[in-house]
Amino acid sequence: GESVGLHLPTLSVQEGDNSIINCAYSNSASDYFIWYKQESGKGPQFIIDIRSNMDKRQGQRVTVLLNKTVKHLSLQIAATQPGDSAVYFCAEGGTGNQFYFGTGTSLTVIP
Amino acid sequence: NAGVTQTPKFRILKIGQSMTLQCAQDMNHNYMYWYRQDPGMGLKLIYYSVGAGITDKGEVPNGYNVSRSTTEDFPLRLELAAPSQTSVYFCASSYSGQRQPQHFGDGTRLSIL
Repeated sequence: GESVGLHLPTLSVQEGDNSIINCAYSNSASDYFIWYKQESGKGPQFIIDIRSNMDKRQGQRVTVLLNKTVKHLSLQIAATQPGDSAVYFCAEGGTGNQFYFGTGTSLTVIP
Repeated sequence: NAGVTQTPKFRILKIGQSMTLQCAQDMNHNYMYWYRQDPGMGLKLIYYSVGAGITDKGEVPNGYNVSRSTTEDFPLRLELAAPSQTSVYFCASSYSGQRQPQHFGDGTRLSIL
């Protein structure tokens, strides 16, 4: 089966610093990846996605990096704000109708 | 736009009872999904549907049933509730399946006692 894992279950950063959240995936055939943000009591919210024909994609204050050689995905959040405190999930897909989700990293922003 | 709407938000059931978790989307999405989320675990796919009248099993379908009679609605049925089904259930939708992000509802928190 698929496995998607995160290197760190928790991450604390100072407000204004940059955050980096990592994710490893196991299926080399996966060609589409998504990052979600989940706030307490809410459903996952789409942040950014990337296809395997790209190494990097940028959004507003967020950047996703994809390293297919080592099957690694990262989410970088610039100038982290208190509102960024949440659990962040990566998901891999593209090989069927199913996505496989990681267990999540809990990000805490210290004011 | 309401997006994906799930009802109820909370429910407590006794072992052996049955219930239906409702999910509706107003984005005219073809694909709909049901996941469960257990503490410290990633989302696990229960069932999904690629369009009205078509459903298929995910990773953890045992103990659940679904139907998709309309594009908008995708109810999840628990026939004989068991403590192992205590979880948070999320419904999601997307226009197509493979390479598009899913839009999630805010979940139903279900406890089986």
